[in-house]
Amino acid sequence: EDKVVQSPLSLVVHEGDTVTLNCSYEVTNFRSLLWYKQEKKAPTFLFMLTSSGIEKKSGRLSSILDKKELFSILNITATQTGDSAVYLCAVEYAGGTSYGKLTFGQGTILTVHP
Amino acid sequence: SQTIHQWPATLVQPVGSPLSLECTVEGTSNPNLYWYRQAAGRGLQLLFYSVGIGQISSEVPQNLSASRPQDRQFILSSKKLLLSDSGFYLCAWSVGVNEKLFFGSGTQLSVL
Repeated sequence: EDKVVQSPLSLVVHEGDTVTLNCSYEVTNFRSLLWYKQEKKAPTFLFMLTSSGIEKKSGRLSSILDKKELFSILNITATQTGDSAVYLCAVEYAGGTSYGKLTFGQGTILTVHP
Repeated sequence: SQTIHQWPATLVQPVGSPLSLECTVEGTSNPNLYWYRQAAGRGLQLLFYSVGIGQISSEVPQNLSASRPQDRQFILSSKKLLLSDSGFYLCAWSVGVNEKLFFGSGTQLSVL
C-alpha cells in the first residue's frame, strides 16, 4: 500500500527559528513529490521535486529530495508568524490509470509565536 | 488565468439528507478534476478523479458519488448522508503532464 508519512505532526517555534519538516514515502512507480501549504482552507503549491539532490528554493523556504532513502525535507529559515500553517507532503505515482493521482501525508501543523 | 470555484463554503446537513457540492474551473480546457476529503487531524484522501466528461474513477468505496456533466464542472453527491461523511471537501484540478494540483477553497461539511 502506498504510504506517505510526515513528521513531526506538530511543531511550535518562535519567530526567527529555523524549522525542518520531514516526509518519507513508500510509493510504487514514484513520479514526483510535492509540498503544499494549507492556511485555513485551500492548500497552495510550494515545490515539486523529481530529482534527487537538487534543492528547490523560494525565499526562506527550501526543499530537497532523496530518492534513494525515500524522503524529502522542507526547511524554513527565519520563521515568521505568517508561516503558521499545515504543511502537506504529497507523492505522485506514474503509470496506467494512476495518472495525476497524489497520496498525501497527514500534514505537519506549524505554529510560529511572535 | 485559471480559477477554480467551489461552493458552498460551509454546510450543515442532517443524517439521511442528500448532498450536492459543485466545483467549476475557468480558464482552461479538459482539466483533470479531483475530489479530496480531509478528516479532522488527517491528511487529504483522494475520493474521485476525472480525466474527461462522464469519466469518473473512484478511489475508495463510500457513500458518495461524483459526476462530470460538463468539461469544467465536477459534482460530488450523496443520496443519504452519514455521520462519517463529515469533513472538509476540496476540489482540485490539474492539466496535462504538469501534476501540480490547484485547489478550490473547500467545503466544510458537518453531518448531524
